[in-house]
Amino acid sequence: AQSVTQLDSHVSVSEGTPVLLRCNYSSSYSPSLFWYVQHPNKGLQLLLKYTSAATLVKGINGFEAEFKKSETSFHLTKPSAHMSDAAEYFCVVSPPGGGGGNKLTFGTGTQLKVEL
Amino acid sequence: GAVVSQHPSWVICKSGTSVKIECRSLDFQATTMFWYRQFPKQSLMLMATSNEGSKATYEQGVEKDKFLINHASLTLSTLTVTSAHPEDSSFYICSASPPTNYGYTFGSGTRLTVV
Repeated sequence: AQSVTQLDSHVSVSEGTPVLLRCNYSSSYSPSLFWYVQHPNKGLQLLLKYTSAATLVKGINGFEAEFKKSETSFHLTKPSAHMSDAAEYFCVVSPPGGGGGNKLTFGTGTQLKVEL
Repeated sequence: GAVVSQHPSWVICKSGTSVKIECRSLDFQATTMFWYRQFPKQSLMLMATSNEGSKATYEQGVEKDKFLINHASLTLSTLTVTSAHPEDSSFYICSASPPTNYGYTFGSGTRLTVV
């Protein structure tokens, strides 16, 4: 069984300040973890993924996330927010391998607002 | 990179009619595709797993006769919303996993409005 919890439904930051979106997971195995971003009325775009390699994962647009097994966390960070980062972010867990016919489990999402 | 194309991006239909949504993997073969439904300001809910050449696997609570899924080829899965009603209005998204890469690629979604 697997589950994922996004601890904040809304996060608001000022442009140029750091971003932290929190995600905790629960899994009976060593999971694959993903962060996706969704802009209004659009599909989901992959930001980054963890599949049991390096625990610090770098993604697109300056985002990165660190897999911490001891804390069962996979928080998403960015050093400096940009207005274009405003969107909905989903933390996602899947069984090992992260592909094929494995089902994904989605967090409830975090709405990121970036203010001037 | 792997691309999943979904059409139409939006559709308006009258109550009682049926609507077909297509999901295509453009540069890879997908034996499995997934269909999700997303309500406003909510997360994605898995509706069904589409399996090439066999019956789809539906999640609990999803009506098989209402949401018909066909996966006739390795690059195409279709979702047909039959006898649509206003409560079927939603954002539908498909996804597939390229065989040479970890992760999933999502279509751009279909906004269905039933009037």
